[in-house]
Amino acid sequence: QQQVKQSPQSLIVQKGGISIINCAYENTAFDYFPWYQQFPGKGPALLIAIRPDVSEKKEGRFTISFNKSAKQFSLHIMDSQPGDSATYFCAASQYHGGSQGNLIFGKGTKLSVKP
Amino acid sequence: KAGVTQTPRYLIKTRGQQVTLSCSPISGHRSVSWYQQTPGQGLQFLFEYFSETQRNKGNFPGRFSGRQFSNSRSEMNVSTLELGDSALYLCASSLVGTTSEQFFGPGTRLTVL
Repeated sequence: QQQVKQSPQSLIVQKGGISIINCAYENTAFDYFPWYQQFPGKGPALLIAIRPDVSEKKEGRFTISFNKSAKQFSLHIMDSQPGDSATYFCAASQYHGGSQGNLIFGKGTKLSVKP
Repeated sequence: KAGVTQTPRYLIKTRGQQVTLSCSPISGHRSVSWYQQTPGQGLQFLFEYFSETQRNKGNFPGRFSGRQFSNSRSEMNVSTLELGDSALYLCASSLVGTTSEQFFGPGTRLTVL
């Protein structure tokens, strides 16, 4: 049973536009929500992460919005650039024993930013 | 600081063979997790090791196993390979503590013929 649902599966945005990717989770025990960016042939790279005691976190052009009551979180990429074209994964995990080891990933969103 | 390294980067095996993949975590990171990435199933957690002990295991058959050494380096082994084991195998390392972000290596691309 998929515990993290991600949408859309693919996204095309014009350069300078806003890219929005959404995720929903089921397990209310999750307490860590990272976003990863993956380019072809590379491993996922940690982009930004949030914990449920915060409703929004911004790092540069990337913002996570978190809605605990709705069990949803989203990634906003402002001023999208062609270099942002990649696959984005949301994930969730539950802290235990000093580690967030068991990341549950969404299925990914392939973002294409058109020049 | 060097990132997570994985060897080999590419591997071709035939059904029934076994394979061992290696992962060297970021210096100072003591936790290593392994994930399988396929187009159909996406990224799935295999197992996590800390202090040479498996702390967590995903829903994979017993053909998938791993271990961690005293220097935190880790290996995973897949025995009796099946066609469906073709995937990108990713290793991630993390500190054990307050942040525990996981940093991924480039992966090993395994093809089973």
